[in-house]
Amino acid sequence: DGGITQSPKYLFRKEGQNVTLSCEQNLNHDAMYWYRQDPGQGLRLIYYSQIVNDFQKGDIAEGYSVSREKKESFPLTVTSAQKNPTAFYLCASSTHGSPSGNTIYFGEGSWLTVV
Amino acid sequence: KNQVEQSPQSLIILEGKNCTLQCNYTVSPFSNLRWYKQDTGRGPVSLTIMTFSENTKSNGRYTATLDADTKQSSLHITASQLSDSASYICVVSFFSGGYNKLIFGAGTRLAVHP
Repeated sequence: DGGITQSPKYLFRKEGQNVTLSCEQNLNHDAMYWYRQDPGQGLRLIYYSQIVNDFQKGDIAEGYSVSREKKESFPLTVTSAQKNPTAFYLCASSTHGSPSGNTIYFGEGSWLTVV
Repeated sequence: KNQVEQSPQSLIILEGKNCTLQCNYTVSPFSNLRWYKQDTGRGPVSLTIMTFSENTKSNGRYTATLDADTKQSSLHITASQLSDSASYICVVSFFSGGYNKLIFGAGTRLAVHP
Protein backbone atom coordinates (compact mmCIF):
# COMPACT_ATOMS: atom_id res chain seq x y z
CA ASP A 1 0.00 0.00 0.00
CA GLY A 2 1.14 3.56 -0.66
CA GLY A 3 1.82 5.71 2.35
CA ILE A 4 4.25 7.22 4.81
CA THR A 5 6.10 5.05 7.28
CA GLN A 6 7.65 6.45 10.42
CA SER A 7 9.90 4.50 12.75
CA PRO A 8 10.32 3.83 15.53
CA LYS A 9 6.88 4.43 17.04
CA TYR A 10 8.37 4.90 20.51
CA LEU A 11 11.87 6.09 21.31
CA PHE A 12 13.63 6.95 24.53
CA ARG A 13 16.62 9.26 24.60
CA LYS A 14 19.13 9.78 27.33
CA GLU A 15 20.45 13.22 28.13
CA GLY A 16 23.19 14.24 25.68
CA GLN A 17 22.29 11.69 23.03
CA ASN A 18 21.37 12.28 19.42
CA VAL A 19 18.53 10.21 18.01
CA THR A 20 17.23 9.82 14.48
CA LEU A 21 13.62 9.36 13.44
CA SER A 22 13.01 7.67 10.13
CA CYS A 23 10.42 8.75 7.55
CA GLU A 24 9.90 6.92 4.26
CA GLN A 25 7.20 7.53 1.64
CA ASN A 26 6.30 5.61 -1.52
CA LEU A 27 3.78 8.15 -2.81
CA ASN A 28 6.28 9.70 -5.23
CA HIS A 29 5.80 13.04 -3.47
CA ASP A 30 8.35 15.78 -3.95
CA ALA A 31 7.70 17.65 -0.70
CA MET A 32 8.26 16.27 2.78
CA TYR A 33 7.85 17.85 6.20
CA TRP A 34 8.57 17.27 9.88
CA TYR A 35 6.22 18.59 12.54
CA ARG A 36 6.30 18.55 16.30
CA GLN A 37 3.10 18.21 18.32
CA ASP A 38 2.85 19.13 22.01
CA PRO A 39 -0.29 18.77 24.16
CA GLY A 40 -2.74 21.63 23.68
CA GLN A 41 -0.79 23.16 20.80
CA GLY A 42 -1.04 23.10 17.05
CA LEU A 43 1.54 21.29 14.97
CA ARG A 44 4.72 23.29 14.51
CA LEU A 45 6.99 22.97 11.49
CA ILE A 46 10.56 21.84 12.17
CA TYR A 47 11.98 21.37 8.64
CA TYR A 48 10.64 20.91 5.16
CA SER A 49 12.04 19.78 1.85
CA GLN A 50 10.54 20.56 -1.56
CA ILE A 51 12.99 18.50 -3.57
CA VAL A 52 15.87 16.05 -3.19
CA ASN A 53 19.07 17.53 -1.77
CA ASP A 54 17.29 20.66 -0.61
CA PHE A 55 15.63 21.50 2.70
CA GLN A 56 14.62 24.58 4.63
CA LYS A 57 14.23 25.44 8.30
CA GLY A 58 10.74 25.72 9.68
CA ASP A 59 9.61 27.66 12.71
CA ILE A 60 11.37 25.57 15.37
CA ALA A 61 14.48 24.12 13.68
CA GLU A 62 16.93 24.75 16.53
CA GLY A 63 18.32 21.50 17.90
CA TYR A 64 17.19 19.45 14.89
CA SER A 65 18.83 18.41 11.63
CA VAL A 66 17.59 16.66 8.48
CA SER A 67 18.83 15.27 5.20
CA ARG A 68 17.12 14.56 1.89
CA GLU A 69 19.46 12.33 -0.12
CA LYS A 70 16.62 10.34 -1.65
CA LYS A 71 13.14 11.38 -2.73
CA GLU A 72 11.59 8.69 -0.56
CA SER A 73 13.43 9.44 2.67
CA PHE A 74 13.55 12.42 5.04
CA PRO A 75 15.14 11.43 8.38
CA LEU A 76 15.07 13.80 11.35
CA THR A 77 17.87 13.89 13.91
CA VAL A 78 17.08 15.28 17.34
CA THR A 79 20.40 16.51 18.69
CA SER A 80 21.51 17.06 22.26
CA ALA A 81 21.12 20.79 21.59
CA GLN A 82 17.33 20.37 21.66
CA LYS A 83 16.61 21.04 25.31
CA ASN A 84 13.01 19.88 25.42
CA PRO A 85 12.69 17.09 22.87
CA THR A 86 9.91 15.08 24.52
CA ALA A 87 7.02 15.29 22.04
CA PHE A 88 5.08 13.55 19.30
CA TYR A 89 6.78 13.91 15.92
CA LEU A 90 4.88 13.74 12.64
CA CYS A 91 6.30 13.35 9.17
CA ALA A 92 4.22 14.39 6.17
CA SER A 93 4.46 14.57 2.40
CA SER A 94 2.65 16.17 -0.51
CA THR A 95 2.97 16.90 -4.20
CA HIS A 96 4.54 20.23 -5.04
CA GLY A 97 2.76 23.22 -3.57
CA SER A 98 0.10 24.93 -5.63
CA PRO A 99 -2.17 27.90 -4.97
CA SER A 100 -5.25 25.71 -4.88
CA GLY A 101 -3.71 23.43 -2.36
CA ASN A 102 -3.08 19.72 -2.28
CA THR A 103 -3.64 16.99 0.24
CA ILE A 104 -0.88 16.52 2.76
CA TYR A 105 -0.49 12.98 4.02
CA PHE A 106 0.83 12.26 7.48
CA GLY A 107 2.67 9.30 8.92
CA GLU A 108 1.55 7.60 12.12
CA GLY A 109 3.94 9.59 14.27
CA SER A 110 6.81 8.84 16.64
CA TRP A 111 6.80 9.40 20.38
CA LEU A 112 10.13 10.62 21.73
CA THR A 113 10.74 10.69 25.48
CA VAL A 114 13.82 11.89 27.31
CA VAL A 115 14.81 9.71 30.27
CA LYS B 1 0.13 37.59 13.09
CA ASN B 2 -1.16 34.48 11.31
CA GLN B 3 -3.26 32.50 13.76
CA VAL B 4 -5.89 29.78 13.80
CA GLU B 5 -8.14 29.46 16.82
CA GLN B 6 -10.51 26.58 17.40
CA SER B 7 -13.42 26.23 19.77
CA PRO B 8 -14.45 24.59 21.89
CA GLN B 9 -11.22 23.11 23.22
CA SER B 10 -13.07 19.91 24.09
CA LEU B 11 -16.57 18.59 23.66
CA ILE B 12 -18.55 15.61 24.93
CA ILE B 13 -21.68 14.45 23.11
CA LEU B 14 -23.89 11.38 23.13
CA GLU B 15 -23.81 8.90 20.31
CA GLY B 16 -26.26 9.79 17.54
CA LYS B 17 -26.22 13.53 18.29
CA ASN B 18 -24.94 16.24 15.96
CA CYS B 19 -22.22 18.73 16.80
CA THR B 20 -20.44 21.72 15.27
CA LEU B 21 -16.81 22.69 15.74
CA GLN B 22 -15.59 26.22 15.06
CA CYS B 23 -12.43 27.62 13.49
CA ASN B 24 -11.52 31.33 13.27
CA TYR B 25 -8.41 32.46 11.46
CA THR B 26 -6.42 35.59 10.76
CA VAL B 27 -4.16 34.07 8.08
CA SER B 28 -3.48 36.32 5.13
CA PRO B 29 -3.27 35.97 2.21
CA PHE B 30 -5.62 33.00 2.44
CA SER B 31 -5.08 30.01 0.15
CA ASN B 32 -7.19 27.18 1.49
CA LEU B 33 -8.62 25.69 4.68
CA ARG B 34 -8.43 22.06 5.68
CA TRP B 35 -9.98 19.95 8.38
CA TYR B 36 -8.16 16.89 9.70
CA LYS B 37 -9.20 14.14 12.09
CA GLN B 38 -6.54 12.82 14.44
CA ASP B 39 -7.01 9.75 16.61
CA THR B 40 -4.94 9.69 19.78
CA GLY B 41 -1.35 8.74 19.04
CA ARG B 42 -1.95 8.58 15.27
CA GLY B 43 -1.26 10.84 12.34
CA PRO B 44 -3.94 13.30 11.14
CA VAL B 45 -6.17 12.20 8.28
CA SER B 46 -7.63 14.69 5.81
CA LEU B 47 -11.41 15.26 5.90
CA THR B 48 -11.95 18.27 3.64
CA ILE B 49 -10.08 21.02 1.84
CA MET B 50 -11.75 24.25 0.68
CA THR B 51 -10.43 27.11 -1.40
CA PHE B 52 -11.53 30.75 -1.24
CA SER B 53 -14.41 30.23 -3.66
CA GLU B 54 -15.94 27.24 -1.88
CA ASN B 55 -18.29 27.73 1.04
CA THR B 56 -19.24 24.15 1.80
CA LYS B 57 -17.83 20.68 1.32
CA SER B 58 -19.02 17.33 2.57
CA ASN B 59 -17.31 14.04 3.29
CA GLY B 60 -19.89 11.52 4.45
CA ARG B 61 -21.26 12.67 7.81
CA TYR B 62 -18.76 15.54 7.93
CA THR B 63 -19.70 18.90 6.42
CA ALA B 64 -17.33 21.84 6.45
CA THR B 65 -18.37 25.43 5.78
CA LEU B 66 -16.24 28.44 5.03
CA ASP B 67 -17.04 32.14 5.26
CA ALA B 68 -13.99 33.88 3.80
CA ASP B 69 -15.42 37.32 4.59
CA THR B 70 -15.62 36.71 8.33
CA LYS B 71 -12.69 34.28 8.25
CA GLN B 72 -14.63 31.54 9.94
CA SER B 73 -15.10 27.86 9.26
CA SER B 74 -17.14 25.17 10.92
CA LEU B 75 -17.15 21.39 10.84
CA HIS B 76 -20.54 19.79 11.37
CA ILE B 77 -20.73 16.13 12.34
CA THR B 78 -24.08 14.45 11.80
CA ALA B 79 -25.37 11.42 13.70
CA SER B 80 -22.15 10.99 15.66
CA GLN B 81 -20.62 7.57 16.18
CA LEU B 82 -18.24 6.31 18.85
CA SER B 83 -15.51 6.21 16.21
CA ASP B 84 -15.81 9.98 15.79
CA SER B 85 -14.01 10.39 19.12
CA ALA B 86 -10.81 12.15 18.12
CA SER B 87 -9.18 15.55 17.80
CA TYR B 88 -10.29 17.70 14.87
CA ILE B 89 -7.71 20.09 13.54
CA CYS B 90 -8.33 23.16 11.41
CA VAL B 91 -5.44 24.10 9.13
CA VAL B 92 -5.23 27.30 7.11
CA SER B 93 -2.64 27.79 4.39
CA PHE B 94 -1.23 30.61 2.34
CA PHE B 95 0.86 30.22 -0.78
CA SER B 96 4.29 31.78 -0.72
CA GLY B 97 7.47 31.09 -2.65
CA GLY B 98 6.08 28.00 -4.37
CA TYR B 99 5.13 26.42 -1.11
CA ASN B 100 1.89 26.10 0.85
CA LYS B 101 2.67 27.35 4.35
CA LEU B 102 0.35 25.82 6.92
CA ILE B 103 -0.92 27.29 10.18
CA PHE B 104 -2.41 24.66 12.50
CA GLY B 105 -5.07 25.18 15.11
CA ALA B 106 -4.66 23.46 18.47
CA GLY B 107 -7.64 21.22 17.72
CA THR B 108 -10.95 20.34 19.34
CA ARG B 109 -10.99 17.10 21.28
CA LEU B 110 -14.33 15.35 20.73
CA ALA B 111 -15.55 12.50 22.91
CA VAL B 112 -18.65 10.58 21.83
CA HIS B 113 -20.24 8.61 24.63
CA PRO B 114 -22.74 5.75 24.26
